[in-house]
Amino acid sequence: QVQLVQSGAEVKKPGASVKVSCKASGYTFTSYYMHWVRQAPGQGLEWMGIINPSGGSTSYAQKFQGRVTMTRDTSTSTVYMELSSLRSEDTAVYYCAREIVVVVAAEKMWYFDYWGQGTLVTVSS
Amino acid sequence: SSELTQDPAVSVALGQTVRITCQGDSLRSYYASWYQQKPGQAPVLVIYGKNNRPSGIPDRFSGSSSGNTASLTITGAQAEDEADYYCNSRDSSGNHLRVFGGGTKLTVL
Repeated sequence: QVQLVQSGAEVKKPGASVKVSCKASGYTFTSYYMHWVRQAPGQGLEWMGIINPSGGSTSYAQKFQGRVTMTRDTSTSTVYMELSSLRSEDTAVYYCAREIVVVVAAEKMWYFDYWGQGTLVTVSS
Repeated sequence: SSELTQDPAVSVALGQTVRITCQGDSLRSYYASWYQQKPGQAPVLVIYGKNNRPSGIPDRFSGSSSGNTASLTITGAQAEDEADYYCNSRDSSGNHLRVFGGGTKLTVL
């Protein structure tokens, strides 16, 4: 069965960096794009970016450009999200989510079918 | 980049029907997907595409789309449907970007 298992909670000081991992199993790792989504306490979901595990290409939300780096290790079926120059507003639960693309009645659709359990990152001095 | 707009909160009486909407320019080009999130849990897909339910999602959940608006309808809302609901779509720029709506908190009275 498909599983996305994320690394544990982190506490970081302002200005530091954090690297969160998401280990995939139960499917062909390189066949599905992976996204990162975060949720600040009491707030909504915020899309951060996407990585193609096959070639490693990425696209990031403009808000995070220059601060976020998404990478992958195909040997361990793991994707990583590193966020730098942390500030208190980055305190959030970070999720990885697998994207699936299907064609129904000749129409293409994209959605997130599996999510990791979430990783709480706390930024505090 | 695109934006998706949702009403912050909606309420429905037990057993009645409720519609949650999501508006945005990108919805003229791409279908929305809908996610249910309960406190302390990861989001769960409930509707994708025009009106497709993943396995395990009750058939009281349905979706529709018209112009720049996507809708999630719950027909015969149950107490366990009380949750936050988020729409998501591709960005209208046509690249790989995605965007979430701000979320709608559904209260079942």
